[in-house]
Amino acid sequence: EVELVESGGGLVQPGRSLRLSCITSGFRFGDFAMTWVRQAPGKGLEWLSFIRNKAYGGTTEYAASVKGRFTVSRDDSKSIVYLQMNSLKTEDTAMYYCVREGGGITMFWGQGTLVTVSS
Amino acid sequence: QLVLTQSPSASASLGASVKLTCTLTSGHSNYAIAWLQQQPDKGPRYLMKLNSDGSHSKGDGIPDRFSGSSSGAERYLTISSLQSEDEADYYCQAWGTDIRVFGGGTKLTVL
Repeated sequence: EVELVESGGGLVQPGRSLRLSCITSGFRFGDFAMTWVRQAPGKGLEWLSFIRNKAYGGTTEYAASVKGRFTVSRDDSKSIVYLQMNSLKTEDTAMYYCVREGGGITMFWGQGTLVTVSS
Repeated sequence: QLVLTQSPSASASLGASVKLTCTLTSGHSNYAIAWLQQQPDKGPRYLMKLNSDGSHSKGDGIPDRFSGSSSGAERYLTISSLQSEDEADYYCQAWGTDIRVFGGGTKLTVL
């Protein structure tokens, strides 16, 4: 069974940093691209970033809203994907989801970790 | 630019059918999409991949009541024999080589 468990969320002040982790199991982690998606309170889903698997160079892509501030990385030896978030803004307040892709499709979702940016 | 448009809300009666729509921007009418369901206070769940020719493949455990179809740039999700647990937000999602995109979501109310 595919499982994704996010952690690292919490309350953080504007301008500070936070690193989210997503521990995965139940599939060959190295075979799949991994994506981060967020959902602000009462709003829809917003794609943030994805990281390809090693066969596709392990390269990354970002939404314009987070490019230059957020960095996605992966540790295939531990089946973990990370999201480093710098220079956080109040508008980054959201539930953050880790997602295992299947050919571009957001197929398996974690339960999310809540990030609140507030002074 | 790849954009997906969904109506904000829809409603239908218990036991009836409802058809939700996701519209791709022109120039992207041949794109496949995915449909996702998000029940209240839960994370999203993948329902199906829907191709431009209307063929679709559902995720594990998705009931037969859920089906998909396509016409031009429009992608549809039909839910038949509506049940109370179908009351949820429904999102469509598309992808390109360097981007992933979500529609704004449709809130389905089961009357």
